[in-house]
Amino acid sequence: AQSVTQLDSHVSVSEGTPVLLRCNYSSSYSPSLFWYVQHPNKGLQLLLKYTSAATLVKGINGFEAEFKKSETSFHLTKPSAHMSDAAEYFCVVSDPDNAGNMLTFGGGTRLMVKP
Amino acid sequence: DSGVTQTPKHLITATGQRVTLRCSPRSGDLSVYWYQQSLDQGLQFLIQYYNGEERAKGNILERFSAQQFPDLHSELNLSSLELGDSALYFCASSVGDGSAGHHLFFGSGTQLSVL
Repeated sequence: AQSVTQLDSHVSVSEGTPVLLRCNYSSSYSPSLFWYVQHPNKGLQLLLKYTSAATLVKGINGFEAEFKKSETSFHLTKPSAHMSDAAEYFCVVSDPDNAGNMLTFGGGTRLMVKP
Repeated sequence: DSGVTQTPKHLITATGQRVTLRCSPRSGDLSVYWYQQSLDQGLQFLIQYYNGEERAKGNILERFSAQQFPDLHSELNLSSLELGDSALYFCASSVGDGSAGHHLFFGSGTQLSVL
């Protein structure tokens, strides 16, 4: 069975400093991996996705993530945090070998950005 | 705006009652997914429909049911409501049946409060 672990439930950074949100997964050989962001009282929005192409994936708003198969990790990074990045972030794995599209969500990481 | 429409945005009801949540997928999307988000359980996959047929089932209670209509909109019916059913219910849609790792587009959710 597939699983996702977001290693930090809360991350706090200062505006202008780098962001690192950590995600480890367990899945079959060729999973699809996603990062979604949820701003308060909003639905989830796709930040980026990995689907077996380039291992370094660039997303919206300056975020990127690197797929590391040997470490089963898909950490999300951003060089410089902005106040508007404050939100909850979800790492998601989709295993095409599973029936349907049962995405497995991580527990979420709440990112706080201090002025 | 994701293109996925959910109604109502808020619903307040009493224990033992029955409610219906409605979702219209993005134009052209054939799959509809329902998720429940609560503080203690996080994001839980409930059920997926593809082109009118049930495609995958997650942690959906027997008191809950869903369907997808010929025009592809979907309804989630929650009956014999309990206090613990209070949560944010999301609908999402995707173009395919999920096997190709397509990402999902989420609606803004329906906040259900059971008093």
